[in-house]
Amino acid sequence: GAVVSQHPSRVICKSGTSVKIECRSLDFQATTMFWYRQFPKKSLMLMATSNEGSKATYEQGVEKDKFLINHASLTLSTLTVTSAHPEDSSFYICSAKLAESTDTQYFGPGTRLTVL
Amino acid sequence: LAKTTQPISMDSYEGQEVNITCSHNNIATNDYITWYQQFPSQGPRFIIQGYKTKVTNEVASLFIPADRKSSTLSLPRVSLSDTAVYYCLVGDAHTGRRALTFGSGTRLQVQP
Repeated sequence: GAVVSQHPSRVICKSGTSVKIECRSLDFQATTMFWYRQFPKKSLMLMATSNEGSKATYEQGVEKDKFLINHASLTLSTLTVTSAHPEDSSFYICSAKLAESTDTQYFGPGTRLTVL
Repeated sequence: LAKTTQPISMDSYEGQEVNITCSHNNIATNDYITWYQQFPSQGPRFIIQGYKTKVTNEVASLFIPADRKSSTLSLPRVSLSDTAVYYCLVGDAHTGRRALTFGSGTRLQVQP
């Protein structure tokens, strides 16, 4: 149990375009999902907390108008990178909590974004 | 959030036991300790979680002393496939919506 999927696993786009990444909890409902970004050889950096039915909470330094997060249902959160630029190229990982009463997070497999 | 400190890297050989220690001096009463494993270009994988004393599952053991200011992840008889980055995280199990914060992790290299 506790499987989180992401789609796509890999995407290449041109500079200036927008890219949407989906994160799904496959066998459980997640009221809260998280989005992380990871650069090569670095640790995961939290970008935002996505709450079902409400606005996402962004970490300091993360532009909310550039990284649009929507958490429309208990099993789906989306991250849209708008007007992507080469510096947005990174590994984007989502995670979900199994329940409110635990801080165990289950992570998706990640999405490799390359902006040309 | 409690900050964690781990060795940047460790080397081992196949068949050996590996112990990775993590310091979390300002751990709070409600904080649990969780370890994740990450392979390149993959999301972190949950290994084990504990609050105090010792926890064991099919892949690892977690030792937590009484003061809970540190914890040790023990991997018995490692193999080449255990080469990965291991992250120690602490977080409040009751905050519900707060994310875990990742430190630098420990890069374990297992040699044949």
